[in-house]
Amino acid sequence: GNSVTQMEGPVTLSEEAFLTINCTYTATGYPSLFWYVQYPGEGLQLLLKATKADDKGSNKGFEATYRKETTSFHLEKGSVQVSDSAVYFCALSDPAGGYNKLIFGAGTRLAVHP
Amino acid sequence: GAVVSQHPSRVICKSGTSVKIECRSLDFQATTMFWYRQFPKQSLMLMATSNEGSKATYEQGVEKDKFLINHASLTLSTLTVTSAHPEDSSFYICSANIDPGASHYGYTFGSGTRLTVV
Repeated sequence: GNSVTQMEGPVTLSEEAFLTINCTYTATGYPSLFWYVQYPGEGLQLLLKATKADDKGSNKGFEATYRKETTSFHLEKGSVQVSDSAVYFCALSDPAGGYNKLIFGAGTRLAVHP
Repeated sequence: GAVVSQHPSRVICKSGTSVKIECRSLDFQATTMFWYRQFPKQSLMLMATSNEGSKATYEQGVEKDKFLINHASLTLSTLTVTSAHPEDSSFYICSANIDPGASHYGYTFGSGTRLTVV
């Protein structure tokens, strides 16, 4: 079945460092791919998405490119800030059943220090 | 924007008791809501899909009689963990589909409930 694997955290960086959080997926069809972010005490928020191969999603300085050949959707940011500290979830859509179910990775906690 | 309010954020209960978790859509009508469960260091696992006015659709392996889902109105879905046991301790999170049948942009999440059964 469909699944998502993302790198374990926590990831600890200094402010202005480069960020990469790896995400790979297994899917039988052609899923859409997402990154969600959860700040402390808040719900999950959609950070970015890509719906087909070679699409690049971007938002708030974060980017991820849908790579079908490597089944990956790695999250990157050139210069992180303390305010980026959160848990990041990679996810794919599974349209089975007609409800567009989301399948999540385990989440990666990012801690950015001044 | 669309907000989903989930309560309580944390609950501790004794083994054998039942716990109800509420998920409310504050400024929109949610005909479909989703309930997820997350174990430490594991993925969010979809437990069930609840539809207003009809029975919930449970994922394989989820006990219907243990995790009772009610979606009696367009703004409220509840998850009741019946006869809770320590293995039910987990993080539960709800999600609402703002526009049924639309794309994934329509998903908004509650802030989750940390359940601890002692």
